Amino acid sequence: AQSVTQPDIHITVSEGASLELRCNYSYGATPYLFWYVQSPGQGLQLLLKYFSGDTLVQGIKGFEAEFKRSQSSFNLRKPSVHWSDAAEYFCAVGARGGSYIPTFGRGTSLIVHP
Amino acid sequence: DSGVTQTPKHLITATGQRVTLRCSPRSGDLSVYWYQQSLDQGLQFLIQYYNGEERAKGNILERFSAQQFPDLHSELNLSSLELGDSALYFCASSNSGEVGYEQYFGPGTRLTVT
Repeated sequence: AQSVTQPDIHITVSEGASLELRCNYSYGATPYLFWYVQSPGQGLQLLLKYFSGDTLVQGIKGFEAEFKRSQSSFNLRKPSVHWSDAAEYFCAVGARGGSYIPTFGRGTSLIVHP
Repeated sequence: DSGVTQTPKHLITATGQRVTLRCSPRSGDLSVYWYQQSLDQGLQFLIQYYNGEERAKGNILERFSAQQFPDLHSELNLSSLELGDSALYFCASSNSGEVGYEQYFGPGTRLTVT
């Protein structure tokens, strides 16, 4: 069974600073990988996803993530954070083949200081 | 706005009671997923329906049940409620039940059991 770890419960950055949120997964093969964002009082919104091919994936809102097979990681990055990026971020992993039920990490809460 | 609607937004009820949460998927989406989000358990997959049939089951208690109707809306029934059932319940939909299809989340129903 797959699993995903987000080691940072909270991350605090200043507006305009760069951001990296960590995600490590456990799965026997190359999984499907996702990053979702949840703003307060909202449901989850997909930021980006990795299925195959180019290991650097571009998403919405200026986010990108890089799949590193050797490190079993799929870290989310943004070069310059905006105050509106303050939210909860979830990494998810899905198994290839058959029905797709993702496993979500516990989330990382991003706090942005002005 | 994801196009997924959930009602009600908030629900307060007493222990031992039964409630029904409703979800309308995005137009054209055949697959509906139910998730429970709590502080101690994180985001947990409960159950998936595809075109009216149960496709996958996760950590769903026997006191909980769900169904998807011919018009594709879905209901999650929670009975014999306990204090620990207090959580956010999300519905998500996707175009397919198969691997790799993006899920669109509704805004959630916040259930408080007193």
